[in-house]
Amino acid sequence: DAGITQSPRHKVTETGTPVTLRCHQTENHRYMYWYRQDPGHGLRLIHYSYGVKDTDKGEVSDGYSVSRSKTEDFLLTLESATSSQTSVYFCAISEGTQAFFGQGTRLTVV
Amino acid sequence: SQQGEEDPQALSIQEGENATMNCSYKTSINNLQWYRQNSGRGLVHLILIRSNEREKHSGRLRVTLDTSKKSSSLLITASRAADTASYFCATDPSGGAQKLVFGQGTRLTINP
Repeated sequence: DAGITQSPRHKVTETGTPVTLRCHQTENHRYMYWYRQDPGHGLRLIHYSYGVKDTDKGEVSDGYSVSRSKTEDFLLTLESATSSQTSVYFCAISEGTQAFFGQGTRLTVV
Repeated sequence: SQQGEEDPQALSIQEGENATMNCSYKTSINNLQWYRQNSGRGLVHLILIRSNEREKHSGRLRVTLDTSKKSSSLLITASRAADTASYFCATDPSGGAQKLVFGQGTRLTINP
């Protein structure tokens, strides 16, 4: 898993509450990504980071924010969770042309 | 928007048979990659083919790329039960892994 740890692995939260997912890497990679995976959609890019405090939006960024204050940590925040954000979230890093993924976080918004 | 579209969405074959999955994409690319996802796990990189390559092999995997048709195929020969997984193609027009765009995937089931 290229030293990528996601936490939590599972979370159930209520609509309207804020939620933060954490991605931690141990190998000092510059690029980090957050994807969501939903049936029928494959993986879609939410946000990515190309360095400390350098982030950019992906395809489905509405309702999400990110922060990267240290090289090793990339946080994804749902400011006010909605049922449409129920999904499996994957963090990834890239090394050259190849991406390495974490194990995923299953988030359920009720 | 989905860059890659996999076909078929699901494939079920007998162990030992070959499995072929196809991927179509929309924009010009520098490379195309294939990933595997076992149930409940993250994606694992399988193989990358560059835009100036037409075919590439890695063990039991064979990937082809037709840039004129904007399509790629992944062939798994002599399938095994452990090959049961979902397979995704991914493209990045920039040539790196900076913003990979994934297809919807093909769910492959290998029956013993």
